[in-house]
Amino acid sequence: ELQLVESGGGLVKPGGSLRLSCVVSGFDFSNYNMNWVRQAPGKGLEWVSSISSSASSVSYADSMKGRFTISRDNAANSLYLQMNSLTADDTAIYFCSLDDYGASPFDYWGQGTLVTVSS
Amino acid sequence: EIVMTQSPATLSVFLGGGATLSCRASQSVSRSLAWYQHKPGQAPRLLIYDASTRATGVPARFSGSGSETEFTLTIRSLQSEDFAVYYCQQYYNWPPFTFGQGTKLEIK
Repeated sequence: ELQLVESGGGLVKPGGSLRLSCVVSGFDFSNYNMNWVRQAPGKGLEWVSSISSSASSVSYADSMKGRFTISRDNAANSLYLQMNSLTADDTAIYFCSLDDYGASPFDYWGQGTLVTVSS
Repeated sequence: EIVMTQSPATLSVFLGGGATLSCRASQSVSRSLAWYQHKPGQAPRLLIYDASTRATGVPARFSGSGSETEFTLTIRSLQSEDFAVYYCQQYYNWPPFTFGQGTKLEIK
């Protein structure tokens, strides 16, 4: 069974950092591009970042550039998002998802992990 | 950046009825358009990709149409499990991938 399970969310103070993880099982992780998408309270889905299957290519939404770093460990079937300089606007549920080749839909998603930035 | 605009924001429909959801792109995305269903506390689910192809396991009552800048998701014979928020997404020109703001489908 294909599963994506996010973890690492929690309460963090403004200016703080957090590292999210997404562990994938049930398919060949190393063959897929991976993405992070977030949903702020009462808002819609917002793409955060993507990484290619070999990690040779990464991309970020403009508001995350310089603050967030996406990475992956294909041996551990894991995706990561290092988030620094967090603000209240980063409060959201963060979902990981996969796609086949970059210019393709996000086939499967995890259930998300909640990040709350508050003093 | 391609802006995706969905309408209506909320749609109220009777059980067993039909629903038509719209999505407009600020510039052509060809047919690189997906629809997702999202329920609170759950993972978003891919319903339609390439504008009109149903994803694996998606019932035939869901159908997608359109191209370039105008797209439609049609749901026939609405069942209780279909009431959710629906998002369109373009994957034609990225980064960034962009989503519409969502249409909430609720029971009338």
